[in-house]
Amino acid sequence: RKEVEQDPGPFNVPEGATVAFNCTYSNSASQSFFWYRQDCRKEPKLLMSVYSSGNEDGRFTAQLNRASQYISLLIRDSKLSDSATYLCVVTLSGGYNKLIFGAGTRLAVHP
Amino acid sequence: DAGVIQSPRHEVTEMGQEVTLRCKPISGHDYLFWYRQTMMRGLELLIYFNNNVPIDDSGMPEDRFSAKMPNASFSTLKIQPSEPRDSAVYFCASTLGQGGFSEQFFGPGTRLTVL
Repeated sequence: RKEVEQDPGPFNVPEGATVAFNCTYSNSASQSFFWYRQDCRKEPKLLMSVYSSGNEDGRFTAQLNRASQYISLLIRDSKLSDSATYLCVVTLSGGYNKLIFGAGTRLAVHP
Repeated sequence: DAGVIQSPRHEVTEMGQEVTLRCKPISGHDYLFWYRQTMMRGLELLIYFNNNVPIDDSGMPEDRFSAKMPNASFSTLKIQPSEPRDSAVYFCASTLGQGGFSEQFFGPGTRLTVL
């Protein structure tokens, strides 16, 4: 079983739509959680951290459910520029936190 | 400000040849990471350094892979001999460790093709 699992998509949505991505992680000792964004043929970049209480950054909302080992990302009012692959990332406790990446969910926003 | 710099950006080589990938981290960062990304396996951590010292190389696939960091501003990832299954995008990332999580900044990657 993969440590971090995501639906690969693609999710094809029209501009203005709301779209949600889910991610599950296998290690209950996972300590920190993030969403990264990767544009086609580019490097990954941090989109947002995910906090236990849930957090919002503009049109983006991230939620964490430790009991179910589940993370989500909600994008409201999708823009063409949101088209990218979204990577779910966790770290394990102990020493410096190494990033464990999911395979990513591809989003395509069309006019 | 200059970000993480990687060279070359693209490398095409033949099976059996030695390949050397280079990385210059962001000035002042004390952690450096090497990742490999493929369609099949996604993004995988190969090795990381703290203050130029290798800390965890458990992700290095086999003895054909080696990495060095001779100083704070330069690291290399070497594959010798290369094989077609090594074809991937190799990313270098750096961060300033401040306890807990600190954002890793990725370079643009080196796209390696082994024929």
